[in-house]
Amino acid sequence: LAKTTQPISMDSYEGQEVNITCSHNNIATNDYITWYQQFPSQGPRFIIQGYKTKVTNEVASLFIPADRKSSTLSLPRVSLSDTAVYYCLANNNAGNMLTFGGGTRLMVKP
Amino acid sequence: KAGVTQTPRYLIKTRGQQVTLSCSPISGHRSVSWYQQTPGQGLQFLFEYFSETQRNKGNFPGRFSGRQFSNSRSEMNVSTLELGDSALYLCASSPGTENTGELFFGEGSRLTVL
Repeated sequence: LAKTTQPISMDSYEGQEVNITCSHNNIATNDYITWYQQFPSQGPRFIIQGYKTKVTNEVASLFIPADRKSSTLSLPRVSLSDTAVYYCLANNNAGNMLTFGGGTRLMVKP
Repeated sequence: KAGVTQTPRYLIKTRGQQVTLSCSPISGHRSVSWYQQTPGQGLQFLFEYFSETQRNKGNFPGRFSGRQFSNSRSEMNVSTLELGDSALYLCASSPGTENTGELFFGEGSRLTVL
């Protein structure tokens, strides 16, 4: 499974757009990029997944350039409740053994 | 529909004891996987069960074991507990027939080993 690298922490303010970039230089052809969100003392929650270009759902957008060596999770107009740890994963969907990195701790301030 | 349910939510054990944790997946989901989360090692994959068979296994010692029942409910067991086993144990379920990378996690069982 490809190793991912993302910033340890980020700060933002309510109403701003937050972009978290993840690096996955050795991503395999059959790997997908998946993002999870985790609040303290809760299990991670699936946010979004993509393979290439752009994917958008009701909570986030995921941008993946053509070389797929990085990806960016975009959270529009964050609120205090978006304060959480965000994990970027590169998984090949061959099984449910996901490899989580250290994640990015996002702090949204009023 | 109901989410993934894990019991117990909190428990305290002493070194050398054993512990059994339970997980009820989302109705209709046949895959159950277990993860250990600690401040030092982060989230680590333990094992996955599908249709009562272990399908994948992480890099944990044999003291960690699991099983899945015909109704897809799963249990994991840790024997001869060590202080380092203190962690949040998370269970996740998915339909299992197509592994999309989207797992549904429970709230976890927080184990403290004294």
